[in-house]
Amino acid sequence: QSVLTQPPSASGTPGQRVTISCSGSTSNIGSNYVYWYQQLPGTAPKLLIYRNNQRPSGVPARFSGSKSGTSASLAISGLRSEDEADYYCAAWDDSLSGFHVFGGGTQLTVL
Amino acid sequence: QVQLQESGPGLVKPSQTLSLTCTVSGGSISRATYYWGWIRQPAGKGLEWLGRISTLGDTNYNPSLKSRVTISLDTSKNEFSLELKSVTATDTAVYYCARDRDYGGNTEYWGQGILVTVSS
Repeated sequence: QSVLTQPPSASGTPGQRVTISCSGSTSNIGSNYVYWYQQLPGTAPKLLIYRNNQRPSGVPARFSGSKSGTSASLAISGLRSEDEADYYCAAWDDSLSGFHVFGGGTQLTVL
Repeated sequence: QVQLQESGPGLVKPSQTLSLTCTVSGGSISRATYYWGWIRQPAGKGLEWLGRISTLGDTNYNPSLKSRVTISLDTSKNEFSLELKSVTATDTAVYYCARDRDYGGNTEYWGQGILVTVSS
């Protein structure tokens, strides 16, 4: 069971806007940045969003992140077939000696 | 462009120690304050963070694995390593090495991953 909670699946049709939620607690999302990763089948994860809402160079503006309290969201607008992938949220957790935590992942299907 | 490459045995016997190395190219591992870590992913499952070591040698580990995991840095070889003791079949996974830019994460570089199977 993951420390950060994501819905196991999400779906949308091309052109739609889809959001994926990530719920945590005061020791992780509530007090630290949230990061989002995209994992295409058979490949290593790729950084999609860092520090809650920043996009690395090369990531389309269709992808956006937000955070409020102990929850965060990833939004994908103008959904495209190539967006079909697994998405993971992540954050640092300040409990114990500090460690990194991932959400369980959300499998996005483009219908 | 920084590149990371995992290496090590693809098959480990139960109760033995899993040892992997991550070779870093395209930049010195000690040039700036980064965090070099390991993440694993069992087939069909999600990502699990194992631990990391900073350029200065400070370590953080997943509390659920802390007693079995050791991560070390070899600046002379520009590589870092993972040791996972007393493995069982549940440790079978693809293991990724990665570099974090921030204290809290920001894993901007990943290795391609290496499949390690624990079986007799």
